[in-house]
Amino acid sequence: EIVLTQSPGTLSLSPGERATLSCRASQSVSSNYLAWYQQKPGQAPRLLINGASSRATGVPDNFSGSGSGTDFTLSISRLEPEDFAVYYCQQYGRSPPTFGQGTKVEIK
Amino acid sequence: EVQLVESGGGLGQPGGSLRVSCAASGFAFSTYSINWVRQAPGKGLEWISYINDDSSTMYYADSVKGRFTVSRDNARSSLYLQMNSLRAEDTAMYYCTRGRTSGSPQYFDYWGQGALVIVSS
Repeated sequence: EIVLTQSPGTLSLSPGERATLSCRASQSVSSNYLAWYQQKPGQAPRLLINGASSRATGVPDNFSGSGSGTDFTLSISRLEPEDFAVYYCQQYGRSPPTFGQGTKVEIK
Repeated sequence: EVQLVESGGGLGQPGGSLRVSCAASGFAFSTYSINWVRQAPGKGLEWISYINDDSSTMYYADSVKGRFTVSRDNARSSLYLQMNSLRAEDTAMYYCTRGRTSGSPQYFDYWGQGALVIVSS
């Protein structure tokens, strides 16, 4: 199965700063089938990005995804208070679908 | 509005059985594949099961294969996860998720609020 490794484990930033989250795959993700999710405490995950760079419905444009092959990035251009959460990447290019271990974005 | 609402779960004994249900509304349930994803307390996400729109195809993670069975009732817009031979490591929040892309694997565009399963004697 494809192993996804997210870095850093924790990102400590202030509101208004830019966040850059990395997701690296153990083998190439076909067709860039890579999704990103946001999870807040006590809530279910929420889809942010699919196809590596397509924002889901209702996701603000300060979230952007990029990358291809084995290296993918989620960027948050200006952190809002509601953006502090855990973020997961997920590949769906090869069975079984797998998730990264998550990156926590916390308030500095 | 798309909604997925899980129910069931609770406390189960090692070696025992539990069933989690998922009631869907706000979309054409019979035309979508559905997946179960679980999350152990304080841990990450793990995909465990897929069922296609007409129940002709099901897939399972190795961790639950042979113990868990997914089924659906399109007339009732409902999905079920029958969990047998429970183990302590099955303790988790179980999420019902709507899948996107044709076939499996998929990404998940809507999630239920989850059903908590605790396996303990």
